[in-house]
Formats: sequence, structure tokens, C-alpha cells
Amino acid sequence: QVQLIESGGGVVQPGGSLRLSCAASGFTFSIFGMHWFRQAPGKGLEWVAVMWHDGSQQFYADSVRGRFTISRDISKNTLYLQMNSLRAEDTAVYYCARAEPGHWFDPRGQGTLVTVSS
Amino acid sequence: QTVVTQEPSISVSPGGTVTLTCGLTFGSVSARSYPAWFRQTAGQAPRTLMYTTNTRSYGVPDRFSGSILGNRAALTITGAQADDESDYYCVLYMGDGTWVFGGGTTLTVL
Repeated sequence: QVQLIESGGGVVQPGGSLRLSCAASGFTFSIFGMHWFRQAPGKGLEWVAVMWHDGSQQFYADSVRGRFTISRDISKNTLYLQMNSLRAEDTAVYYCARAEPGHWFDPRGQGTLVTVSS
Repeated sequence: QTVVTQEPSISVSPGGTVTLTCGLTFGSVSARSYPAWFRQTAGQAPRTLMYTTNTRSYGVPDRFSGSILGNRAALTITGAQADDESDYYCVLYMGDGTWVFGGGTTLTVL
């Protein structure tokens, strides 16, 4: 069955960097697009980024564009989110999700918590 | 900047019917917005409930239905049950490669 396991969260100082990972299994990773979205403590969901199924395009929310980079390693069946210039408002649980035909996405994991604090 | 709007909170009586809606501050929601709905119960990760307007995710009972009502996406729950109490989020495709979530609706069954 489809499994997505997020990892890499932790505490980082403002201005710092962190790389999140999303280990995928149970499906052919190389032919699916992938998303990241997040949830700040006590707040709603916020879409963050997407990588197209063929890896040719990436799109970002305005709030993270220029600071975050989505990428993948097909040989490792792993999606990444490189987060630079982190701010307090980036504190959130980050989820990955598989892109599905019809412009929707399906999260399966429990997320990983990123805390930006001095 | 386009904002996706949802009712912050809604209450429904057990056995009753309730409709949650999802709109845009600028423009109308249509099938081309590919509206999807996520459900999140307290302390749990969100899960997809409905996608492409009216397709239920695996295992979701047919008490849940999706539609476009006027210029908004809608999620209707019939025969509401106590365990339907959750936060419900819609998400819309903006057509430019990006998606936007609504602020979420807290559903109370009482």
C-alpha cells in the first residue's frame, strides 16, 4: 500500500536551514508528482509546493518562494524540501502527499514538526 | 491575493443535514478548480475526504457528498453522527500550478 513517511524536522534558529525528507513506498515514485503542505500550531492547512510528475516543473506558495526548494531522488524514492532563511512563521508540521490525476493530492503520513525559534 | 473562504464553524444536530461551503474572494469556484476536501480530527493528520468536486475517497460513506452550489464548492453531510465532528478543509487548484487551502470549518454535532 502507499506509504509516505516524513522526517527531518527539528528546532532551528531564525535564518537557519533545514531539509525535510519524505520516504515513499508502495508505488512507482518516479511517475507521480508530489506536494508539500504544512500546518502551523493551532492553525489551518497551507499548501507549500509541488513537483510535477516528470520533475520538469516546481511551483511554490508566495510565502515560501525563493526560500524553499522541492526536489526528489528517484533512486531513493525520496522527496525533499530544502528550507532556507527560515522564519518563526515557518514553524509547522510539514506533510508530503502524492499528486493524483485530477489536480488533487493524497497525504498518508503523520508529518514532521519544524520549530523555528531562538 | 485570492483567498479561499469557508465558514469558521458550523453546528448540526445528530441525524441532521449540513452543508459546508468553499468560495473565492475573487471569482467563482467551478469544476476547473478541482475542489477537494480534507478532514482532520483532533490530534490526527489530515486525510482526503473528497476530490474532483464529488468523488469520495476510499472508505468514505455516501452520507458525504460534494457539489458545486452557485459559485461555491459544497460538502454535504446527511445523517450527521457524533464522530463527524472534525475540522474540514477545502483546497482549490488555482490553475497556475498552485493550490490554496481554505481556512477550515469546525463542525460540531450537538
